Amino acid sequence: GQQLNQSPQSMFIQEGEDVSMNCTSSSIFNTWLWYKQDPGEGPVLLIALYKAGELTSNGRLTAQFGITRKDSFLNISASIPSDVGIYFCAGLAGYALNFGKGTSLLVTP
Amino acid sequence: NAGVTQTPKFQVLKTGQSMTLQCAQDMNHNSMYWYRQDPGMGLRLIYYSASEGTTDKGEVPNGYNVSRLNKREFSLRLESAAPSQTSVYFCASISDTQYFGPGTRLTVL
Repeated sequence: GQQLNQSPQSMFIQEGEDVSMNCTSSSIFNTWLWYKQDPGEGPVLLIALYKAGELTSNGRLTAQFGITRKDSFLNISASIPSDVGIYFCAGLAGYALNFGKGTSLLVTP
Repeated sequence: NAGVTQTPKFQVLKTGQSMTLQCAQDMNHNSMYWYRQDPGMGLRLIYYSASEGTTDKGEVPNGYNVSRLNKREFSLRLESAAPSQTSVYFCASISDTQYFGPGTRLTVL
């Protein structure tokens, strides 16, 4: 599968801080997706991006589809304790969804 | 509307035993997927089925077989389980975005 480089690997922040994570690839994708996974659960879709340059928000989350179609970022504003989890980026090429290795987010009160 | 369901939730096997992981979706999606998730590796695609009657290998297909029984169901079979197949297995289906099941936690001793 195509390699997605997701960074950072982990983040340890205080409640109220903003968070930024990103994903890059050597390949072009037609769709970028961001998922959150809680312990013992399957990934849950947060934001889907379908067009290069697209900027989409979902509450405190904002994600962008890079102009080159090889990258995407996710921002979380004013983090809260329930934001804790692992965040995955994924790029869709044809039928196959390729995942980054995840960013583990810890939020302290 | 249950989304994507998987059975069993947990399974322990001895090396060499066989078993089938079941997956069903009630969203009338054409495409279904099997992933495995290992620590630090993200989600890796094992097999997928773009439509009823078709299956294709993903990134890590060795040691697995699949059956797309009908549009709803996509099963994953381990013919002779090995300790390296200890993992969490996720089934997913896709329309414009991909929805995941809750996972099957498999341990091979």
